[in-house]
Amino acid sequence: EAQVTQNPRYLITVTGKKLTVTCSQNMNHEYMSWYRQDPGLGLRQIYYSMNVEVTDKGDVPEGYKVSRKEKRNFPLILESPSPNQTSLYFCASSLGPALSYNEQFFGPGTRLTVL
Amino acid sequence: DQQVKQNSPSLSVQEGRISILNCDYTNSMFDYFLWYKKYPAEGPTFLISISSIKDKNEDGRFTVFLNKSAKHLSLHIVPSQPGDSAVYFCAASGNDYKLSFGAGTTVTVRA
Repeated sequence: EAQVTQNPRYLITVTGKKLTVTCSQNMNHEYMSWYRQDPGLGLRQIYYSMNVEVTDKGDVPEGYKVSRKEKRNFPLILESPSPNQTSLYFCASSLGPALSYNEQFFGPGTRLTVL
Repeated sequence: DQQVKQNSPSLSVQEGRISILNCDYTNSMFDYFLWYKKYPAEGPTFLISISSIKDKNEDGRFTVFLNKSAKHLSLHIVPSQPGDSAVYFCAASGNDYKLSFGAGTTVTVRA
């Protein structure tokens, strides 16, 4: 089954404790992206990756890091989480960039709470 | 500053009637527009898209209309069904490989 998986689905942590949210897709997609969803703001893009070892900032990259060492995986790293990073996070992938007709497939989301 | 705006946070419609969701954008470089649907505890799923070279795209019960001069697009759902109750996000992209989303509209279809 074609899918995007994220782990963990729920996470409660404390300020400053490094964490990684994993994302994996099994569709051989080149383009992957991370978003955060906040009330009243919709989804905002954090980082995206056009292919292995190619990543770039989205609209809200501050406080986040990503890596793309393999085509299928695109982990999101919070080196020193802060309460304003409490949010619902989505990973997505597609065959090509968002501007093409290749729609993005989203993972189920990770609910992160930073105390 | 949000470049894609959905000014109606919610919409309630009777089953069988038409649902009309609206979306406005400010960036004239946007040339590709999408609608996503999201159920609780799930990720968004792609619904329908339209390129800026068109003004209408239809897929079954779903039709998207684009008015470039007004920087406005709308999604029509006809007829509305209970399973259409969800949050709908409008999204847009240009040539910078980014996707900008609106805040979403929660649709409730009443039986």
